[in-house]
Amino acid sequence: GAGVSQSPSNKVTEKGKDVELRCDPISGHTALYWYRQSLGQGLEFLIYFQGNSAPDKSGLPSDRFSAERTGGSVSTLTIQRTQQEDSAVYLCASSARQTQETQYFGPGTRLLVL
Amino acid sequence: GENVEQHPSTLSVQEGDSAVIKCTYSDSASNYFPWYKQELGKGPQLIIDIRSNVGEKKDQRIAVTLNKTAKHFSLHITETQPEDSAVYFCAATDSWGKLQFGAGTQVVVTP
Repeated sequence: GAGVSQSPSNKVTEKGKDVELRCDPISGHTALYWYRQSLGQGLEFLIYFQGNSAPDKSGLPSDRFSAERTGGSVSTLTIQRTQQEDSAVYLCASSARQTQETQYFGPGTRLLVL
Repeated sequence: GENVEQHPSTLSVQEGDSAVIKCTYSDSASNYFPWYKQELGKGPQLIIDIRSNVGEKKDQRIAVTLNKTAKHFSLHITETQPEDSAVYFCAATDSWGKLQFGAGTQVVVTP
């Protein structure tokens, strides 16, 4: 079956512009996660959705970052007024439920802020 | 909160040899421990996982062991092949059920 998909696969933007990153989870998965991975680094948790609500936004690095999920499916991560330090790979994962469940990752969106 | 430490950060092995990656965790409530493999330019892919009611699990050349008393778990890859070269991440659930990831191990298998 179809896995987690993300778009765009690559995004180059200028400092100060806003960007939107999209995630399509596995059909039927109620939990969705966003992570950030800087070059050669580990996985930094950003936000978690259960259905359309986000009970854990503790990883969002600043108020320039926001995310939403609609219809219990597609999620969008928005970064406003991008900075060069926002350059990273943004990964999305989904799981059937939240607790103690396997997370399946998408291929990521590589964001470069010039 | 949960803290997961992973060692080594890099591991170079000869093809055919074994590779072992070790992780420790801090939250005694953790009960799910997956391992992910990330190849260059791709997202992490689950390769094996273990739950706290078992001590060892094996899948072909890959095995994971768990010691809940000592709060550590390990990934063992036997008969390594060049295609095993990748970054490997361990993870453990925290008390809220959220996965906490280790920092990753870069494995290089040399022919």
